[in-house]
Amino acid sequence: NAGVTQTPKFRVLKTGQSMTLLCAQDMNHEYMYWYRQDPGMGLRLIHYSVGEGTTAKGEVPDGYNVSRLKKQNFLLGLESAAPSQTSVYFCASSSRAYEQYFGPGTRLTVT
Amino acid sequence: GQQVMQIPQYQHVQEGEDFTTYCNSSTTLSNIQWYKQRPGGHPVFLIQLVKSGEVKKQKRLTFQFGEAKKNSSLHITATQTTDVGTYFCAGISPDSWGKLQFGAGTQVVVTP
Repeated sequence: NAGVTQTPKFRVLKTGQSMTLLCAQDMNHEYMYWYRQDPGMGLRLIHYSVGEGTTAKGEVPDGYNVSRLKKQNFLLGLESAAPSQTSVYFCASSSRAYEQYFGPGTRLTVT
Repeated sequence: GQQVMQIPQYQHVQEGEDFTTYCNSSTTLSNIQWYKQRPGGHPVFLIQLVKSGEVKKQKRLTFQFGEAKKNSSLHITATQTTDVGTYFCAGISPDSWGKLQFGAGTQVVVTP
């Protein structure tokens, strides 16, 4: 039982490049989330999903897109990376409004 | 929109001392959760409070939910070096579909 895994762990992008972050969970959770964490700002919700095939915007969705084609996977895409998107990205999953299980994070730097 | 504020932002504690971190919401919450994040790690769930005035204990940690369900506190007694990390509160409002609104966290540094 791996819990929540994220790929990749680290990435450096140049401004304008694109990339996809992959999140996978093996706990059969309905809800999945993408957060970004910046110093002094806690965790801010980017997008979330309440089930396979559904996604919704969170607090800071601009510049990101997501897809949830399979229940266990939640993908976060950056179409044209900007330096302001330098951050640590965490994926999480949960069963409805219960505790969230976080992945180990992806450290992204955009130069 | 809903805002969750935590104070203090930083807490320097001598090993063996007690401290408290506070969490305040601008709106009434249906429940509140607390997470701990060790340096370089990811947030890990500690506890969830649901009832007005609820108090829960986990060894040296005491969590409290306010009567109005708009504030919460975490009190740690006899701080140990293992308590180092950032403690986040996260609130769920009744209409938020399970989305958590995180506070900015309290970063705890323990001096031996």
